[in-house]
Amino acid sequence: GENVEQHPSTLSVQEGDSAVIKCTYSDSASNYFPWYKQELGKRPQLIIDIRSNVGEKKDQRIAVTLNKTAKHFSLHITETQPEDSAVYFCAAFESGGYQKVTFGTGTKLQVIP
Amino acid sequence: GAVVSQHPSRVICKSGTSVKIECRSLDFQATTMFWYRQFPKKSLMLMATSNEGSKATYEQGVEKDKFLINHASLTLSTLTVTSAHPEDSSFYICSATSSGSWADTQYFGPGTRLTVL
Repeated sequence: GENVEQHPSTLSVQEGDSAVIKCTYSDSASNYFPWYKQELGKRPQLIIDIRSNVGEKKDQRIAVTLNKTAKHFSLHITETQPEDSAVYFCAAFESGGYQKVTFGTGTKLQVIP
Repeated sequence: GAVVSQHPSRVICKSGTSVKIECRSLDFQATTMFWYRQFPKKSLMLMATSNEGSKATYEQGVEKDKFLINHASLTLSTLTVTSAHPEDSSFYICSATSSGSWADTQYFGPGTRLTVL
């Protein structure tokens, strides 16, 4: 089955700096890679996603890159703000007759004012 | 955007009882619903995937007789924790997608915190 590794598990950055979180996956059949932000006790919120036919996607301060050959994808947050502090999860999604999703282990991001 | 509700948000029950959690898509038809379990400070663990009108597909290690999933309509899926024990205490979250053949955006419910005494 799919195995998703996420690094780092914790990340502290100064306000205004960039943050990068990386995930690797094992199953080449995975074709959809969303990123979620989860605040304490709340549901995960989709912040950006990328499909396997695209190498990069950007939405304001957030970007995601995908390297299918190396089977890794990364979340980039620029000009970080204190409200970006949360736990971020990546996921690898395999569609088809049977949909399957595997989540990464999460990264706790702390933005220091 | 699409809204998924979950009920109840919090439940406390005695050991040995059964608890039903409902997951509803309020403004779209959810062909696929996912059930997750999340322990404190941990990632979401996929328990099962359910497609409307068919049996749920359980992940390895998840007891199908203990965690009964029913996806009877395109807007409702239920998870029943049977004969609950303290180790079943956890945060249960459902999500739904509207596409059956291509991965689409997952919309998460707000979660249900189950405490088994």
